[in-house]
Amino acid sequence: DVQLVESGGGLAKPGGSLTLSCAGSGFTFNLAWMSWVRQAPGKGLEWVGHIKSKSDGETTGYAASVKGRFTISRDDSKTTLYLHMNGLKTADTAAYFCTTLRPRHGDLGYWGQGILVTVSS
Amino acid sequence: QSVLIQPPSVSGTPGQRVTISCSGSTSFVGSKSVNWYQQLPGTAPKLLIYSNNQRPSGVPDRFSGSRSGTSASLAISGLQAEDEADYHCAAYDDTLNGQVFGTGTTVTVL
Repeated sequence: DVQLVESGGGLAKPGGSLTLSCAGSGFTFNLAWMSWVRQAPGKGLEWVGHIKSKSDGETTGYAASVKGRFTISRDDSKTTLYLHMNGLKTADTAAYFCTTLRPRHGDLGYWGQGILVTVSS
Repeated sequence: QSVLIQPPSVSGTPGQRVTISCSGSTSFVGSKSVNWYQQLPGTAPKLLIYSNNQRPSGVPDRFSGSRSGTSASLAISGLQAEDEADYHCAAYDDTLNGQVFGTGTTVTVL
């Protein structure tokens, strides 16, 4: 079975940094496109960004709200996806979900359980 | 950036058929594959419909998707108590190089 397990969340101060990890198993991680989606408390879903597979150039894309502050990377040898978050703002407080992204259809087929990031002084 | 608009809430009685709309500009919804996600209370979203009207394996056939013009729709036939959840539409925008999500709809079973 496909499993995505996020870790690394918690409390950070405004202007601070945090790195989330997402360990994947049950699928061919190195061929998978991956993404991060977040959900602020009581709000809808917001796309954060994605990374394509190495064979597709490891191209990344980011939402305007996080571009220049967040970076997505992957370590295929560890089947792990990362979200490096810098310059955190209170508006970044949300549950962060790691997902697979299917290239042809653009759908997010599998989701992790989510991890909470709280940005507060 | 394109926005997909959904009604905030929809309700129905057990056994009833309900529909949720997802509206955007013609150039967007009319040309993109729309996907739907179900988010049960306190859980992560789950893919419900992809490519406008395709169900992943394991999704009951009482869930169906369609697209017409500038709108996409999700229909739930034979509504059940377990269908109480938030439903989100989304589409992948090649120009944006990313996902656009709908505003989300809460389905309540009366």
